[in-house]
Parts: sequence; C-alpha cells; structure tokens
Amino acid sequence: DAKTTQPPSMDCAEGRAANLPCNHSTISGNEYVYWYRQIHSQGPQYIIHGLKNNETNEMASLIITEDRKSSTLILPHATLRDTAVYYCIVRPGLSGNTPLVFGKGTRLSVIA
Amino acid sequence: NAGVTQTPKFQVLKTGQSMTLQCAQDMNHEYMSWYRQDPGMGLRLIHYSVGAGITDQGEVPNGYNVSRSTTEDFPLRLLSAAPSQTSVYFCASSYSSPTGARGYTFGSGTRLTVV
Repeated sequence: DAKTTQPPSMDCAEGRAANLPCNHSTISGNEYVYWYRQIHSQGPQYIIHGLKNNETNEMASLIITEDRKSSTLILPHATLRDTAVYYCIVRPGLSGNTPLVFGKGTRLSVIA
Repeated sequence: NAGVTQTPKFQVLKTGQSMTLQCAQDMNHEYMSWYRQDPGMGLRLIHYSVGAGITDQGEVPNGYNVSRSTTEDFPLRLLSAAPSQTSVYFCASSYSSPTGARGYTFGSGTRLTVV
C-alpha cells in the first residue's frame, strides 16, 4: 500500500531548477517526509527530510504544503550528475520501528 | 569513518549453496536493514533490526535469515540459493530518531548471481 505518489519520470534542462512533486495525502501527524536518490546502480543517498516546515541544505530544498498532503523537492541548478531516481518516503520520525519502505520513485533525466 | 561496509561486492553461487552477506557500520546506528533490488525495479525490504538482539521481517523475507548480535554487524544469510535470488543487495543503517540525523546511510551493494 503506497503512501506516496510520484510521477514516473521527468526531464530537466541542465542549469535549470528541477522540481519533483510528491503526493502523500494520508500522511499522519508524526510522519516525516524523506527524499532519497539513487544514481545508476549505486546505493541510495539521503537528500533531505522535513516534518512541516520548509527545509534547505547544501543539496536541495524541500517545500511542504501547509496541509502536509504534498511536497516538492527542488534541485536549484540541476547538473548532469543529478540524473537519478528520486524517492519520496513518509515514515514515523521520533518513535516507532517502521523501516524505510521505497516506492517506484521518479526518474529524473537532466539534459544538456 | 568507513560508513556502511558490505562484503563481498560480487558473488556467484550455484543453486542450493548457502552463503552470508556481511554488513558492518561504524556509526553506532541502532537501525539496520537489508534490501534487494532486481534489475529495473525499486528496493524491497528483506529484514530489518531496531537494535542488537531485535530483528523483524520486511516485504520479502523468505529464503533469508538475519541476526543482530552486535550493534555494528547485521549479516544476511541465504539458506539455499535459488536463481530468483539473483539481485543486488543493499545494507543500510540509521539512528532511530531523525532529528538532526542524516537519514539512512547505504552500503555500495553486493551483486549476487545464482546459477
């Protein structure tokens, strides 16, 4: 039972911002939104996570809607090395033993 | 700080053979997990552990055993290898709380072929 919905694929021009959407309409109050990416055949890489406030780090920004039912991962200046599958995952944060469960993700292709 | 170390990186097994995939982390993480990824597919959870002495099943546990005798190590045992277990196996670890943490850290994977 998927808790998130993502488009299967997206394209982005190199140097432009990549905006990756995620729907999580059944998110619970204690669940965080996590984003990971997997570059071809490597292990997934953590990008960012948040609860309800927008978050930014050196890799990306995470914008969460006020009702928390959807979010957008923003890569501000996409490069060819950002071509990867991006996974949006919701998971309880501070308590519980729920492991990280991956869906199908969005395949982002950055085009020169 | 090595992170998550998986060995071996590549392995070929014959049907019916058994083997152990090793996973070690040096970050004192409580959570550890094993995933498999078939070609062109997403990651599926096999087994996970929330601390030493505690393990639980994921989505696809059949044919695999795990144990967690120490915080650092979380080996995955294939009891009797089958061609359907041909896959890339990833181990991951994390703190139990996400606050201030960097989420899960993944190893580089073990590529297993069963012939």
